[in-house]
Amino acid sequence: QLQLQESGPGLVKPSETLSLTCTVSGGSISSSSYYWGWIRQPPGKGLEWIGSIYYSGSTYYNPSLKSRVTISVDTSKNQFSLKLSSVTAADTAVYYCARHLAVAGPSDYWGQGTLVTVSS
Amino acid sequence: DIQMTQSPSSLSASVGDRVTITCQASQDISNYLNWYQQKPGKAPKLLIYDASNLETGVPSRFSGSGSGTDFTFTISSLQPEDIATYYCQQYDNLPPLFGQGTKLEIK
Repeated sequence: QLQLQESGPGLVKPSETLSLTCTVSGGSISSSSYYWGWIRQPPGKGLEWIGSIYYSGSTYYNPSLKSRVTISVDTSKNQFSLKLSSVTAADTAVYYCARHLAVAGPSDYWGQGTLVTVSS
Repeated sequence: DIQMTQSPSSLSASVGDRVTITCQASQDISNYLNWYQQKPGKAPKLLIYDASNLETGVPSRFSGSGSGTDFTFTISSLQPEDIATYYCQQYDNLPPLFGQGTKLEIK
C-alpha cells in the first residue's frame, strides 16, 4: 500500500524559507504514470494547490506562488521536497503531499499533512 | 484562472436523505472535475474523478455527473459516516482550483 509522509519544521520565522520533504513508501516515485504534488490548507479554510513534479524533474507551479516555490525530487531516496521562501503569517497552513494522476489531476494518495506555523 | 463556484456552503440533512452538491466552472472544463471528502483533522479523500468515475473502494451511494461548466455530486442515501466537508476541483487548466467546500451535517 502506497504511503506518503511529510516531514519538516513545524515553526518557521517570517521572511525565512519553509522546507518540507515527502517520503514515499510502498511504491516508486519514478513511476512514469504519476506526478507528485503539494497542497496546503490554512486553518479553517479551503485547499490550495502549490505545485507538482514529475520524476524526471519537470515542475509545475501555481502562478500565485511561483516566485517563491521550488519543488525538487530525489529518486534515490524516493522523496520529493518543497521550499517556500519569504514566508509570512499567510503561509501558515497544513501542508499535504499527494500523488497526482496527471500534472495537477486527481490526487489518489495523500500524506497525513503537517502543520507549519509562521511566527517569530 | 478557472473559478469554481460550489453550493451550498453548508447543508444539514437526515440519515437516508438524498444529498446534492453543485459546482459550476467559470469556463468549459470538459469532464476534468474531481470530488473530495475531508473529515476533520484528516487529509482529503478522492471520491469521484473525471466528473463521474467512482474511485476504487468508494461506496456506490456516491456519484457524480456533468460536463462543461455544470457538475453535480450526489449521495443517494446519507449515512452518519458521510459527515464531512466536500470539495470539487477542476484540473483542466493550471492552477487546479478547488471549490469553497460544502460542510455536510446531520439534522
